[in-house]
Amino acid sequence: KQEVTQIPAALSVPEGENLVLNCSFTDSAIYNLQWFRQDPGKGLTSLLLIQSSQREQTSGRLNASLDKSSGRSTLYIAASQPGDSATYLCAVNLPGAGSYQLTFGKGTKLSVIP
Amino acid sequence: SQTIHQWPATLVQPVGSPLSLECTVEGTSNPNLYWYRQAAGRGLQLLFYSVGIGQISSEVPQNLSASRPQDRQFILSSKKLLLSDSGFYLCAFKGGHNTEAFFGQGTRLTVV
Repeated sequence: KQEVTQIPAALSVPEGENLVLNCSFTDSAIYNLQWFRQDPGKGLTSLLLIQSSQREQTSGRLNASLDKSSGRSTLYIAASQPGDSATYLCAVNLPGAGSYQLTFGKGTKLSVIP
Repeated sequence: SQTIHQWPATLVQPVGSPLSLECTVEGTSNPNLYWYRQAAGRGLQLLFYSVGIGQISSEVPQNLSASRPQDRQFILSSKKLLLSDSGFYLCAFKGGHNTEAFFGQGTRLTVV
């Protein structure tokens, strides 16, 4: 059974700092991996989708990398801002009978201190 | 553009009452639709998913059911709510296994 782990569970950084969020998964046979952001009491907002054949994806100050063989992905946030404060979740899309399903980590709660 | 609507945003219901949460998708056809529940400290739990009209797969045996009466409509129901049904419910869709998943804004359900 695929398991997705995000460490640390919470992270606090001063404004302007670059930071890395981690995501690991146990089964490397994934279709893709997606990063989301969730603000308190809100739904999930898609940030980046990385296909299994890709190594990284970039959107503005965000850069996500994928290393399938080691079962790891990182989300790099450059020049963090207070508005980046949220919970960040990663999810993997599995092959086979469950190919349309997403398996989520429990998230990393990020606080950017002004 | 593709959009997803979920309502209501919040709901307070007494134990034993029925439940109906609705989710609709626009800008896509034949989407894969999902209901998730999010509990504090437990992450997102997949409840139901549907790959087509009338096709529902259940991931967790429970007091809830789902229906897909139209291509872009997904409904989460219960005949009699339990206290343990309280939580944050999220609807989502994907166009295919290699596409992004998009989520609704969620429904905060409190059973009292």
